[in-house]
Amino acid sequence: DTAVSQTPKYLVTQMGNDKSIKCEQNLGHDTMYWYKQDSKKFLKIMFSYNNKELIINETVPNRFSPKSPDKAHLNLHINSLELGDSAVYFCASSPDREQPQHFGDGTRLSIL
Amino acid sequence: GQNIDQPTEMTATEGAIVQINCTYQTSGFNGLFWYQQHAGEAPTFLSYNVLDGLEEKGRFSSFLSRSKGYSYLLLKELQMKDSASYLCAVGSWGKFQFGAGTQVVVTP
Repeated sequence: DTAVSQTPKYLVTQMGNDKSIKCEQNLGHDTMYWYKQDSKKFLKIMFSYNNKELIINETVPNRFSPKSPDKAHLNLHINSLELGDSAVYFCASSPDREQPQHFGDGTRLSIL
Repeated sequence: GQNIDQPTEMTATEGAIVQINCTYQTSGFNGLFWYQQHAGEAPTFLSYNVLDGLEEKGRFSSFLSRSKGYSYLLLKELQMKDSASYLCAVGSWGKFQFGAGTQVVVTP
């Protein structure tokens, strides 16, 4: 199946822990993104990468560190998790930075 | 900034037409995008406009007027499965800003 796939789908962990979310797309797209959707369903961009290069960093705390080993992968590492990090995190990709995006199924992060 | 405003909720009857408006303030952007998001699922792309005018894709159409800072999504022949949140987004060189979404409720 051609898709944007992210793992894990659910992540429940304690405050202060460090966790990673992985994302892969097999659509041959050049641009990948991370979004955060909070409890009010507001979808907010965090990072954009184009051909492995960071192009957008939207005032995200530096506890969040994205890594793109190649243009098909964009992982998100989060240090020292806080209660406010509880949200759904969506990975997305698009053919280039102007085209519509395909979203992964989301990772539901709950901080205890 | 790129403040994006859309109504919080709209209700319509099966078979009817609904128009979801989106207004924005921005100094420039590449395209205006519409996505559908069912509860607990990922957003899926519906339609987008780069130039002013109407783009038609089956039951869904989107319109853009850059001079008026305005877009709308038109949903025709509403079906129960169209009950979802509809997100308006402005895109500019890899940066996409989304509105808060309009929850459409389709009733029998």
